[in-house]
Amino acid sequence: AQKITQTQPGMFVQEKEAVTLDCTYDTSDQSYGLFWYKQPSSGEMIFLIYQGSYDEQNATEGRYSLNFQKARKSANLVISASQLGDSAMYFCAMRETPLSSGSARQLTFGSGTQLTVLP
Amino acid sequence: KAGVTQTPRYLIKTRGQQVTLSCSPISGHRSVSWYQQTPGQGLQFLFEYFSETQRNKGNFPGRFSGRQFSNSRSEMNVSTLELGDSALYLCASSRTGEKLFFGSGTQLSVL
Repeated sequence: AQKITQTQPGMFVQEKEAVTLDCTYDTSDQSYGLFWYKQPSSGEMIFLIYQGSYDEQNATEGRYSLNFQKARKSANLVISASQLGDSAMYFCAMRETPLSSGSARQLTFGSGTQLTVLP
Repeated sequence: KAGVTQTPRYLIKTRGQQVTLSCSPISGHRSVSWYQQTPGQGLQFLFEYFSETQRNKGNFPGRFSGRQFSNSRSEMNVSTLELGDSALYLCASSRTGEKLFFGSGTQLSVL
């Protein structure tokens, strides 16, 4: 079963408007972390925002906010006031609790959403 | 503060050759992870190093290996290259293995 599901392969948004990118996840862990990354055509993965499973408030970083609904297992990214430079691939990722302190904190990624901002 | 630096940016190799990729983490970060990104499989975890020790490895054949030096710099090696190894290889660093910060990647093409 997919651990991270991004159901929108592509999205279009008008410049200066807000857009929501969907992400649902599947885990049985109580402690986990959720991430959003932006990948422009240059290839670099740019960290946008992080939400811990025990964080009571939704995370915000400038124009980015994460709409965390724990019961629904969703972690949608909201970008306010879209800019042309926001056009990129966006990945949702999850870090589950490692089995032991020696285990790697690996991320599981979704398939991504290609966002295009229109002038 | 300098970000994660990966070299080289692009590589072209032929089947059967071996390749070494380099990653310099953010200063003070002791954890380095490697990921492979392909159009078909997406982003897949290769392995992670912390204080020169490999903590875990993803589901990749033994041709993929890595190491970490005392200054936290890491190298990844792929031996006996196959066409399917063509991918973007991304390195990520973190202070404790929690939030990961990625580099620009090395684009490997195997001909």
